[in-house]
Amino acid sequence: DQQVKQNSPSLSVQEGRISILNCDYTNSMFDYFLWYKKYPAEGPTFLISISSIKDKNEDGRFTVFLNKSAKHLSLHIVPSQPGDSAVYFCAASASYNQGGKLIFGQGTELSVKP
Amino acid sequence: DTAVSQTPKYLVTQMGNDKSIKCEQNLGHDTMYWYKQDSKKFLKIMFSYNNKELIINETVPNRFSPKSPDKAHLNLHINSLELGDSAVYFCASSPGQGAGGYTFGSGTRLTVV
Repeated sequence: DQQVKQNSPSLSVQEGRISILNCDYTNSMFDYFLWYKKYPAEGPTFLISISSIKDKNEDGRFTVFLNKSAKHLSLHIVPSQPGDSAVYFCAASASYNQGGKLIFGQGTELSVKP
Repeated sequence: DTAVSQTPKYLVTQMGNDKSIKCEQNLGHDTMYWYKQDSKKFLKIMFSYNNKELIINETVPNRFSPKSPDKAHLNLHINSLELGDSAVYFCASSPGQGAGGYTFGSGTRLTVV
């Protein structure tokens, strides 16, 4: 029972264009969402987050959009750069959960071609 | 000066053996975690500790025993290793018990043969 799903295992984008990574969730109790970036043989690193009281959060080239009614969030990267090539994980958390538990999607591998 | 370091990075061992993975964080965080990334690439929480106290035990077989001697260390001991234990194990820490501020280690790839 996967509560967080990333249905696209991979995405290929040309340098300079927009990358859009999608994530769906099923648990309406989730109130905090995060995106992590992972390079091979490294641990995930935090990229950007959004609380359920917002529908958009922006940090430089990265913007996360949250559509609570659709239980959907997306990460936009614009412009995409070759260094953005990595696996991107969506994660969700519910504040009633003790211990800071994150529920992760299975990741989308982004390839940005020069 | 690695923030969350785990050792070893790679571990190959035979079925039935007992092995340990060590994790240390120098961030002064109160909460530490173990996550498992299985063959389907999902990262799933196994345990979390806050100030040496077990907070989350996510129905992990009792062959897995975490040990937190102090809040900077969270080690994972696995008894009687099985083929299905092959995975990448990630240690992480965060300042409190909320979902923000996680820092992950670089992972330990465990292969059971």
